[in-house]
Parts: sequence; structure tokens; C-alpha cells
Amino acid sequence: DVKVTQSSRYLVKRTGEKVFLECVQDMDHENMFWYRQDPGLGLRLIYFSYDVKMKEKGDIPEGYSVSREKKERFSLILESASTNQTSMYLCASSLWGRGGTDTQYFGPGTRLTVL
Amino acid sequence: AQSVAQPEDQVNVAEGNPLTVKCTYSVSGNPYLFWYVQYPNRGLQFLLKYITGDNLVKGSYGFEAEFNKSQTSFHLKKPSALVSDSALYFCAVRFTGTASKLTFGTGTRLQVTL
Repeated sequence: DVKVTQSSRYLVKRTGEKVFLECVQDMDHENMFWYRQDPGLGLRLIYFSYDVKMKEKGDIPEGYSVSREKKERFSLILESASTNQTSMYLCASSLWGRGGTDTQYFGPGTRLTVL
Repeated sequence: AQSVAQPEDQVNVAEGNPLTVKCTYSVSGNPYLFWYVQYPNRGLQFLLKYITGDNLVKGSYGFEAEFNKSQTSFHLKKPSALVSDSALYFCAVRFTGTASKLTFGTGTRLQVTL
């Protein structure tokens, strides 16, 4: 089974802090994604990555950056956390090519609160 | 513009009754269609997908979905609902030319009562 893990289930930070959210997948997937989930808005894509050191902006990249130094790890960085970044953050991964059909597999989520 | 919609914020069903959670999309070309379920304080779990072929797709936990190209819909169904099916359900679409990205609907909360 595909396993996607996220470093924290719950996180509380203060405004202005630099925040790191880590995601690791164990199935050698090329694609990795970061979403945020807010009530009534569904999932919105922040950033995604097709390969190591490669990243592309999603629909709402402002205020976020990402890092992918190793294939299995994809980090989301909030350079200076703000209260409007309080949300549930979900990481996902999927195969690319080799018959992959874009099924994404999700981690358990990190509920971030910025005070 | 390409989009996906879940027209109902909440669906209420009595246990044992059939359930339907609706999803419609607007797209050119042939989309890939997915359903995911989210239980409280959990990530999303994959239920089923339509890529090509038979319009009726069977998935996990007794769920199925029917792809209807003329109505651009992909409704999720189950013949007999269980209280344990109560959760948040998301429809997602991979549109042609978006290279592995999925666009998610806003979600429908399913409440199954005794």
C-alpha cells in the first residue's frame, strides 16, 4: 500500500514565524502535491512537483514556497506565517507515466493554527 | 472554462436506503474522474475512478459511480447506505492538458442516520 506521511498532525505557530511542513512518500512516486483545505472551498492546490528540484505553482502559491531535494520528500514552507494561513494542509503523491492514471494518494493532513 | 461542481453541500439518507452524491463537470476532451472520501480529521481516501471503458465503475466499500458523457456527470452511488458511510465526499477531475493535476469539487457531506 502507498504510504504518505506528514510530519505533524497538529501545529500551532505565531504570526511571522517560519513554518516547515514535511511530507514523505514510500512508493517512488514522481509527482507530489501540497493542498490546503478550507470549509466550503474544497481542496486548493498550492504547489506541485514532477521531479526532484522541480516545482510548479498551483492555484494559490502566494505566501508559500516548496522544496524537493529528494524524490520521496516534499516540503511546504510558510516564510512568514499569517493568520489567514490557518488551515488543514494535505500532501499527496501520484505516479507519472509508466501507466500511471493520476490517482493521488493522500497523507493524514496537518492542521495548522497561526495565532 | 474547465470546472467541476458538487451541487449539494449535504446529503441526508436513512440507513438502508440508496444514496447518490452528485458531481458534474465542464470540460473539453475526455476527463479522468475520481471520487475520494474523507473521514473526520483524516486525509482523503481514494474510492474509485473512471478513465475509459465501461461507464459504470465499481469501487471500495460498495460504492459505484456512473459516467454520463452527455450530461457531463459522474454521480457516486451506493444501493444501501450505512451509518459508517457518513463522511465528506470529493469529486475530482483531471482535465486534458493539465498533466497529472486534479481539480477538486467543494465536497458534499453525507449524513446517514438510523
